[in-house]
Amino acid sequence: ETGVTQSPTHLIKTRGQQVTLRCSSQSGHNTVSWYQQALGQGPQFIFQYYREEENGRGNFPPRFSGLQFPNYSSELNVNALELDDSALYLCASSVLTGVQETQYFGPGTRLLVL
Amino acid sequence: LAKTTQPISMDSYEGQEVNITCSHNNIATNDYITWYQQFPSQGPRFIIQGYKTKVTNEVASLFIPADRKSSTLSLPRVSLSDTAVYYCLVAGNDYKLSFGAGTTVTVRA
Repeated sequence: ETGVTQSPTHLIKTRGQQVTLRCSSQSGHNTVSWYQQALGQGPQFIFQYYREEENGRGNFPPRFSGLQFPNYSSELNVNALELDDSALYLCASSVLTGVQETQYFGPGTRLLVL
Repeated sequence: LAKTTQPISMDSYEGQEVNITCSHNNIATNDYITWYQQFPSQGPRFIIQGYKTKVTNEVASLFIPADRKSSTLSLPRVSLSDTAVYYCLVAGNDYKLSFGAGTTVTVRA
């Protein structure tokens, strides 16, 4: 167990809809990163939040947005869903101290867009 | 982010040692090498991390030559439950990890 939880575990949406995915990090972890993993591929970095501010973004459009809250929870929001958004969405938490440390991944949310 | 290259798949048998080599020719001075394991429909799980020479923990060893342009993950005496995808990553201390396709290790009885 990594101490990182995600909800829901599975979700089905239709094209054009909006979705919110949630993550609860380990207590004390000030950094959360979100990844998208398509079937058969490695996870792709979406963005990272550090102390409630976005701290870097991968090659994803603005319709992917996020929030991080003081209680170590965070959200990933995706607007105007497209079929290609179907994937496993992973969050990972860590402590950004300037020294290399481990990221702890949650079990993921499986999103299917029809 | 440094790009990594690792074999797409490897087959092994129970009780054997599995060695997976990863190439990372453009590794930066402040990059660490980290290996993750992932089972289907689960999040990646940290296995081991190192900067240079050799690192060993209770599940694996990581060998890194002096030039740091490659690394080898060694899994001793694998079992069927070690069947998974193994990812090699290099990254600095910003945690913006770049995963490749990984190596699918299949352990047979």
